[in-house]
Amino acid sequence: GAVVSQHPSRVICKSGTSVKIECRSLDFQATTMFWYRQFPKKSLMLMATSNEGSKATYEQGVEKDKFLINHASLTLSTLTVTSAHPEDSSFYICSARDLGQGDYGYTFGSGTRLTVV
Amino acid sequence: GQNIDQPTEMTATEGAIVQINCTYQTSGFNGLFWYQQHAGEAPTFLSYNVLDGLEEKGRFSSFLSRSKGYSYLLLKELQMKDSASYLCAVMDSNYQLIWGAGTKLIIKP
Repeated sequence: GAVVSQHPSRVICKSGTSVKIECRSLDFQATTMFWYRQFPKKSLMLMATSNEGSKATYEQGVEKDKFLINHASLTLSTLTVTSAHPEDSSFYICSARDLGQGDYGYTFGSGTRLTVV
Repeated sequence: GQNIDQPTEMTATEGAIVQINCTYQTSGFNGLFWYQQHAGEAPTFLSYNVLDGLEEKGRFSSFLSRSKGYSYLLLKELQMKDSASYLCAVMDSNYQLIWGAGTKLIIKP
């Protein structure tokens, strides 16, 4: 089945630094990648939708200059949290759609636990 | 606005049956998903319903009524490993997934 590889799984960074999270589709081409954030005991919150070769579409309230998304190829999308602050600490998850599986095809990465100290 | 409602938490006994309900109000409908999420892990796909009725897959079944904006996930022969959060999500008219807050299922021996 479709696999999305997400790295790193856990990262601790100092306040003010930047962190890059990578998501790769391993056996399919992901023209669209979704980036979610999840706070403890809360639902997934869509941050942005990235499309290969074009600018990402950000949800209302998400700062595009703070959460930089790059989707340079059909198999790789990255999310960079710039000038991280403790309130950015969260669980970040990417998801891609394998069109070969039709509407079933939303596959999630394993998630990245970001802690900003 | 768009809204997905499901209970916050449920408790059931190992070996029993539990039904997790989900009601939704969305702008358009292109299917309803159920995902399982263990603590600290990403969600994994359980089921997809786009037509009314019951879909059975092993110990798990999912039901949909589009006219009532209602779905349920039925888990039979509960095992301890079924302790997890169960997320209901609806694909709207823009093919975006709208997520419920999840139902935390606690299984007791």
